[in-house]
Amino acid sequence: GAVVSQHPSRVICKSGTSVKIECRSLDFQATTMFWYRQFPKKSLMLMATSNEGSKATYEQGVEKDKFLINHASLTLSTLTVTSAHPEDSSFYICSVQTGGRNTEAFFGQGTRLTVV
Amino acid sequence: GENVEQHPSTLSVQEGDSAVIKCTYSDSASNYFPWYKQELGKRPQLIIDIRSNVGEKKDQRIAVTLNKTAKHFSLHITETQPEDSAVYFCAASRRTDKLIFGTGTRLQVFP
Repeated sequence: GAVVSQHPSRVICKSGTSVKIECRSLDFQATTMFWYRQFPKKSLMLMATSNEGSKATYEQGVEKDKFLINHASLTLSTLTVTSAHPEDSSFYICSVQTGGRNTEAFFGQGTRLTVV
Repeated sequence: GENVEQHPSTLSVQEGDSAVIKCTYSDSASNYFPWYKQELGKRPQLIIDIRSNVGEKKDQRIAVTLNKTAKHFSLHITETQPEDSAVYFCAASRRTDKLIFGTGTRLQVFP
């Protein structure tokens, strides 16, 4: 399987600042990565599909200028929450899906973002 | 758009009893159906999955059944233990495409 490392695991930032979250696929070249957001006691909501070397595909209702995604290499995708506000506080988690006949999703550890 | 519904939202069972969680999906092209267990503040952990060419799969105390005609699939946990207590999510996708998650089921197993 794939090993996915996400950093940081926790971050507290002030309102109005930007926060960058990194998602690394350590042993698998991922042309596609997925970013999810999870509110307390809720399900994982897909935010966007990160595509290596091209623009991310955002889900309906997700502001692309608010949540900037960059997938510059086959092993790294970043999510930047710009001009963060308290309502952006959430658990953000990335995933990689191995292809082929036996596809499987592997998740990063998640990032707990708190905006104060 | 694609949608996955999951029931029940909470489930309480006595240790040793069975637990069943059900999901329905809307995208008839979905062909991959994983189940995840998530503990508080942790990443989801895959516990079992099933692909569209199989109707049932079992791994020790855990089994999953799939009915493609009705577009629903279920998770069965037998001989539940307190350590099975967690939130369980079903999901559906088309092969390497994005996973669409169900709303989750909080399972509590009482000793």
